[in-house]
Amino acid sequence: DTAVSQTPKYLVTQMGNDKSIKCEQNLGHDTMYWYKQDSKKFLKIMFSYNNKELIINETVPNRFSPKSPDKAHLNLHINSLELGDSAVYFCASSLDFFSGNTIYFGEGSWLTVV
Amino acid sequence: SQQGEEDPQALSIQEGENATMNCSYKTSINNLQWYRQNSGRGLVHLILIRSNEREKHSGRLRVTLDTSKKSSSLLITASRAADTASYFCALNTGGFKTIFGAGTRLFVKA
Repeated sequence: DTAVSQTPKYLVTQMGNDKSIKCEQNLGHDTMYWYKQDSKKFLKIMFSYNNKELIINETVPNRFSPKSPDKAHLNLHINSLELGDSAVYFCASSLDFFSGNTIYFGEGSWLTVV
Repeated sequence: SQQGEEDPQALSIQEGENATMNCSYKTSINNLQWYRQNSGRGLVHLILIRSNEREKHSGRLRVTLDTSKKSSSLLITASRAADTASYFCALNTGGFKTIFGAGTRLFVKA
């Protein structure tokens, strides 16, 4: 059973388009995250939600908007895509938002903006 | 910065050898975690060591933490080709965030 699943795995799109990445976790966790991994493999947190409430919102362009319809889902919508948005986006979850909990990652969504 | 810095950036060894990766940081931490990322996959948690612990073991993995030097090391003994992956240290500084470094890329040659 997949613990954290995200779709699509690969996404190639043109500049200016709007796209969404969906994420679901079946672990019963309260906290979900979006991370961005750039070409140098550096992993940066973008957002964190706990029980559908936003608790971490890093310095991310407003074009990125997370939505959590329930605590098992955290989707990421990106407006007006730019070349620099090309990266791998990882959804993740943890038991709760206390730091130190194991974070469970999805398999990643490879976004290429052309 | 709050992130850990892994060293070396890349490491190539023969199967059967030991691999040692280091993580240095600048802030105080509550705990430190190590994760593995296989090519094209998500990160997988390996081990967590708390600030009041000095060493932990899990199978062929050994993690040490020296809070006075603000450094941690991950030792993989008797490496296998399947250990080829990127290894990340992640810091918990007491807030809500887990902060990852850029990782060490390990290549184990068969």
